[in-house]
Parts: sequence; C-alpha cells; structure tokens
Amino acid sequence: DADVTQTPRNRITKTGKRIMLECSQTKGHDRMYWYRQDPGLGLRLIYYSFDVKDINKGEISDGYSVSRQAQAKFSLSLESAIPNQTALYFCATSDPDRLNEQFFGPGTRLTVL
Amino acid sequence: AQSVTQLDSHVSVSEGTPVLLRCNYSSSYSPSLFWYVQHPNKGLQLLLKYTSAATLVKGINGFEAEFKKSETSFHLTKPSAHMSDAAEYFCVVSDPDSNYQLIWGAGTKLIIKP
Repeated sequence: DADVTQTPRNRITKTGKRIMLECSQTKGHDRMYWYRQDPGLGLRLIYYSFDVKDINKGEISDGYSVSRQAQAKFSLSLESAIPNQTALYFCATSDPDRLNEQFFGPGTRLTVL
Repeated sequence: AQSVTQLDSHVSVSEGTPVLLRCNYSSSYSPSLFWYVQHPNKGLQLLLKYTSAATLVKGINGFEAEFKKSETSFHLTKPSAHMSDAAEYFCVVSDPDSNYQLIWGAGTKLIIKP
C-alpha cells in the first residue's frame, strides 16, 4: 500500500509546454515537499508546505509553482518547460514528531525535449 | 548553515567484504542525521537515523552508522556486502535554522562485485 503516490510516473514533453505533477498522501502529515534529483547533485528542494495555507520556496524554485489543494494533495507545475528541467522529481511528506523524517513517493521521471 | 559532504562518489567492494560509506557534516548544533538508500529505478527509503540517544545507530538490512562528534562524521558501515546492497546512498542532515529541512549529500553509488 503506497502512502505517497505520484502521477504521472513518466512524462515526455516539449519545450514551452505546461506540465503538472501531482502528489497525494495518506499518511496524514501536514508537511509536504517537492524535490528534483539530478545525477551527482543529490536532492534539491523546490518548494515545501507546512500546511494548506503555508507555501515556501526552496533552493531552486525558479520556473516552478505549486498548489496545496488539501492536506493530502500537493501539485508541482512547470509553466513553460525547458530542457534543463529534465530530471527525476520526488514528492515527500514528513512528521515533525519524528525529527522531520521524510517519506517519499516513487518519483516522476520528466523529460523535456 | 548545515552542510553534508559524502567523501566518495563511488565505492566498489566485493560481495562478502565490509562496506564503508563516508559522510562528514557541518553543524552549529547537535545535529539530526539520516542515511537514505535509493535502489535503481526506485524511490528513497530511510536506512537509519541518529537521534542523539546512542552514537551507534542500527538500521535495516544490517547497516549501521556511528556518530562521532569530534570528527563531525556519520559513516555508514556493513560487515558483509550483499549483491542486493548495490544502490545509491545519501547522507542527510536536518537543519534547525530552516524549520528542520533536510540538507542532502550528493550521494555515493555502491557497486558490489561478484
């Protein structure tokens, strides 16, 4: 049973297209995150949200936007995709009572041509 | 600000031999530290975490890590490597200056030779 799900799992798109990546969780956590992973760079934080009304920029938010539709849902949008946004994207939730241990979705592999 | 350095981008060991993945951190506080593992084409899974209770932390799949404050290190070890251990491993520190966000190392790819 998947606690954090991401859709789509894979997506190929063209430069200039608008893309939305979706994340849902059943863990009941208030905190949710979007990361991107590039080879040799580890994970870099794009946006995070500590509750429905609290959205914060991360390290690399330029070119991205997010929407927290409900406690369980956190979407990432690329308004006009560019090739250097080709990456693996992860959604995560965390529990502050467990030292902010994070729980990850399976990832979305995005390719921008 | 917190930071994490994983000293090796790749580590190659033979099956049945010990594994050592090195991690150094910088922190102004008593840190919270984690190791995560990512198997090929899979998501990220928590291996273990340091919570300031015990300096030697045991995780899943026979891995353990020792927190050494004097050396600002949190190296990951396993006595005997198995083929299924082939994966990428990330050392992570929690940053109290930014609401305990996680700061990630660049990762170490563990290669297991038969």
